[in-house]
Amino acid sequence: GQQLNQSPQSMFIQEGEDVSMNCTSSSIFNTWLWYKQDPGEGPVLLIALYKAGELTSNGRLTAQFGITRKDSFLNISASIPSDVGIYFCAGEPGAGSYQLTFGKGTKLSVIP
Amino acid sequence: EAQVTQNPRYLITVTGKKLTVTCSQNMNHEYMSWYRQDPGLGLRQIYYSMNVEVTDKGDVPEGYKVSRKEKRNFPLILESPSPNQTSLYFCASSFQINTEAFFGQGTRLTVV
Repeated sequence: GQQLNQSPQSMFIQEGEDVSMNCTSSSIFNTWLWYKQDPGEGPVLLIALYKAGELTSNGRLTAQFGITRKDSFLNISASIPSDVGIYFCAGEPGAGSYQLTFGKGTKLSVIP
Repeated sequence: EAQVTQNPRYLITVTGKKLTVTCSQNMNHEYMSWYRQDPGLGLRQIYYSMNVEVTDKGDVPEGYKVSRKEKRNFPLILESPSPNQTSLYFCASSFQINTEAFFGQGTRLTVV
C-alpha cells in the first residue's frame, strides 16, 4: 500500500498551547481522514477532508487538505487534558483502490 | 446503538492453535476491514471487504484469512498463529472506504 509519513511521532505540550501535526505522502490522495484514539479504545473520526485545499473545523480542531493532495495538517487550539491520545491520519487514494492507509500516529501528552 | 462488536477482547493462545476473532456491525455498512496495531507501527490493514463475498488483501495479510458471508459479520481467522501475530487487532466498518469508519473495542491477542 501507499506510505504515509506522520509527524511528529510524539509531543509533550503545556495545557493551553496550540498543537500542529501533519501527514505527507509521495502519492496523491482523494480523501484525508483524521482520527483520535483514546487509551484502551478504538480510533474515532475527528475530521474528514474530500477536496484539495479544503479547510474544515470541528470545535478547537482544524484540518486542511493540501493543494498538492499529498499532505494534510491537523491543528488543535488551546489544548486541554482530554486531548491526550494518539492522533492518526488516514488516506484514501481513489483511482479504484479500496485500501485505506494510516499514518503511524502522533502521541500527544498534555501537561496540566 | 450503532456499534462494531469484536470478540473476544483478550485472548492468550499457543502457537499453531487455530482461532477466530469475530466482528459484527449493526449499521448495514458495506465496507469492513481488519487492522493490527503495534507500537511504533500505527494501524496496518490486514484485509478488507467491499461487500458480501468480496474481500481483498491489505498491507499485512500473511497468516490471516477472512470471510464475508453476511453483510454484518467479518471474522478474522488465524489458521496457525505464531508469536509474531501477538498484537492489538481492530475491526472497522463504514458505508464506503472514504467515509467515517467505526472501530470495535479491539482484541488483544497474545500467542505464546
